[in-house]
Amino acid sequence: KNEVEQSPQNLTAQEGEFITINCSYSVGISALHWLQQHPGGGIVSLFMLSSGKKKHGRLIATINIQEKHSSLHITASHPRDSAVYICAVTTLDSGGGADGLTFGKGTHLIIQP
Amino acid sequence: NAGVTQTPKFRILKIGQSMTLQCTQDMNHNYMYWYRQDPGMGLKLIYYSVGAGITDKGEVPNGYNVSRSTTEDFPLRLELAAPSQTSVYFCASRTGNYNEQFFGPGTRLTVL
Repeated sequence: KNEVEQSPQNLTAQEGEFITINCSYSVGISALHWLQQHPGGGIVSLFMLSSGKKKHGRLIATINIQEKHSSLHITASHPRDSAVYICAVTTLDSGGGADGLTFGKGTHLIIQP
Repeated sequence: NAGVTQTPKFRILKIGQSMTLQCTQDMNHNYMYWYRQDPGMGLKLIYYSVGAGITDKGEVPNGYNVSRSTTEDFPLRLELAAPSQTSVYFCASRTGNYNEQFFGPGTRLTVL
């Protein structure tokens, strides 16, 4: 059983649409990360959060610790947002994250003009 | 700062060959990681290091070895390449616990 589940696996939307990507996890965590993997393969960190909500530009990340669920929202989506979005967690038994992250499989997002 | 750099970007190996994937970071981060990414799967941790001279196994360490002689460098060694090691390999680093990870650009390895 995967400890980190993402949905949907694939998402195609039209430019301007509001996008939501979901992440559920089954283990105790100290932090949740949202990452973006560009078509060229590079991975960048978008957010790290342990409670509440964070916003950066058109991106918003929320987390509900009690429900073990996080969402990544993109407002006014644009073709340049097309990428794989990856949810990852720092589990409570990972020595504070010293031994790395546990990753979901990613959500492949395509924004059409 | 260059961040996390990896070499080579691409490599094709024959079964049984060996190679070293290089990873260097210039951010003075203590923690470094090697992950592999297979199609349709989440990244898996191979090895990690919490500082120079200290390394430990991750989830999928078989067939790999690492060393950490300096803070900056964390090479990954494949001794006897197998087709199952065909993957994209990412090196990452972080400054300490509860902080974001910075990823290198990846190395795409094919073993034939």
